[in-house]
Amino acid sequence: QKEVEQDPGPLSVPEGAIVSLNCTYSNSAFQYFMWYRQYSRKGPELLMYTYSSGNKEDGRFTAQVDKSSKYISLFIRDSQPSDSATYLCAMSAIQAGKSTFGDGTTLTVKP
Amino acid sequence: ETGVTQSPTHLIKTRGQQVTLRCSSQSGHNTVSWYQQALGQGPQFIFQYYREEENGRGNFPPRFSGLQFPNYSSELNVNALELDDSALYLCASSLNGGSGNTIYFGEGSWLTVV
Repeated sequence: QKEVEQDPGPLSVPEGAIVSLNCTYSNSAFQYFMWYRQYSRKGPELLMYTYSSGNKEDGRFTAQVDKSSKYISLFIRDSQPSDSATYLCAMSAIQAGKSTFGDGTTLTVKP
Repeated sequence: ETGVTQSPTHLIKTRGQQVTLRCSSQSGHNTVSWYQQALGQGPQFIFQYYREEENGRGNFPPRFSGLQFPNYSSELNVNALELDDSALYLCASSLNGGSGNTIYFGEGSWLTVV
């Protein structure tokens, strides 16, 4: 079983919809939780980053971490066609130097 | 722009050949990690170099090897290429290992093995 499991998708939503992307994990040592956006198989671009549990908001994006359930989520409000991409969750332990990724969810936002 | 540059961007190799991929880390960063991202999967950790020494390795065979130079740039070498080595190879740089938002990825090198 993988350390990080991500809802596989693909996900297709109309413009303006609220999108929920989710990952679960098994390693209790994970303290850093990241969401990356990846366009057309380019390098991952860091979108959101959270340390330990809690919520973090940045514009239309909200990241939630529930360490008790080992569950993280990314919410996108008022989704736009430009949000169409693959979203990767990633996690790391403190100063581990490596991140463990989910397999990504491909999102398409239709105009 | 993350300041992490990788070369070449695309290359095609024949099964059994050897390949070298290069990465220039962001200025001031002393740690480079390499990842393999196969189609439809997330990046998988290959290994990390910290101050020119290997500092952690994922589940990859010894034919995957690397180097880090005094300027902290790095190379990934893959010998005896197999068809399953076809993937996007990503380099990530950080300071002292890094965590979370202090790890910066390059755009990757696309390797196709035929």
